[in-house]
Amino acid sequence: EAGVTQFPSHSVIEKGQTVTLRCDPISGHDNLYWYRRVMGKEIKFLLHFVKESKQDESGMPNNRFLAERTGGTYSTLKVQPAELEDSGVYFCASSQWTSGATGELFFGEGSRLTVL
Amino acid sequence: GDSVTQMEGPVTLSEEAFLTINCTYTATGYPSLFWYVQYPGEGLQLLLKATKADDKGSNKGFEATYRKETTSFHLEKGSVQVSDSAVYFCALSRSTNTGNQFYFGTGTSLTVIP
Repeated sequence: EAGVTQFPSHSVIEKGQTVTLRCDPISGHDNLYWYRRVMGKEIKFLLHFVKESKQDESGMPNNRFLAERTGGTYSTLKVQPAELEDSGVYFCASSQWTSGATGELFFGEGSRLTVL
Repeated sequence: GDSVTQMEGPVTLSEEAFLTINCTYTATGYPSLFWYVQYPGEGLQLLLKATKADDKGSNKGFEATYRKETTSFHLEKGSVQVSDSAVYFCALSRSTNTGNQFYFGTGTSLTVIP
């Protein structure tokens, strides 16, 4: 069974440009999360989809970030225009629906974004 | 708000040494606790978990016990190997009305030398 896949693995762009990150969750996983890790800091929550609906986007830094999940399958995270502080590793994770807090998250390898 | 605090790294140990990585948490309610590991060039993967107080999670020789009285979930291994070199993240999960919310620590980088 394929795991969570993310593309690209690394993107280098200039300030002001646009970047789109893609995540393909594990098939059948309704929950899809985006997280970001800035160098040496904690992994911070960005947003959570359940199927195609945004369940919680309280972690999105500002309106330069736009996430979509077409048809409840893959998801994209667009940063437009990118700023220097957007640099970091963006992780996507998926999980099956479970009751309570015991469900495991399955992570992709991350997309490293460098804004120059 | 909910948060996880874990031991600062990096940590360097000789092979067969004893490992402890400290993790404490702040949370309302009854969270589940996790340790995730990220090996070089790979994504995070679950190492072990505990879902209620006094539970012990274990996997690959690693152990952690959910201590509600000290709000801790320290990771231990009796004898580390070179292949254990990785970044270790402590995390908690809490059920909310919008689904499970996860909170992660800063990660602790471990290097094991032969």
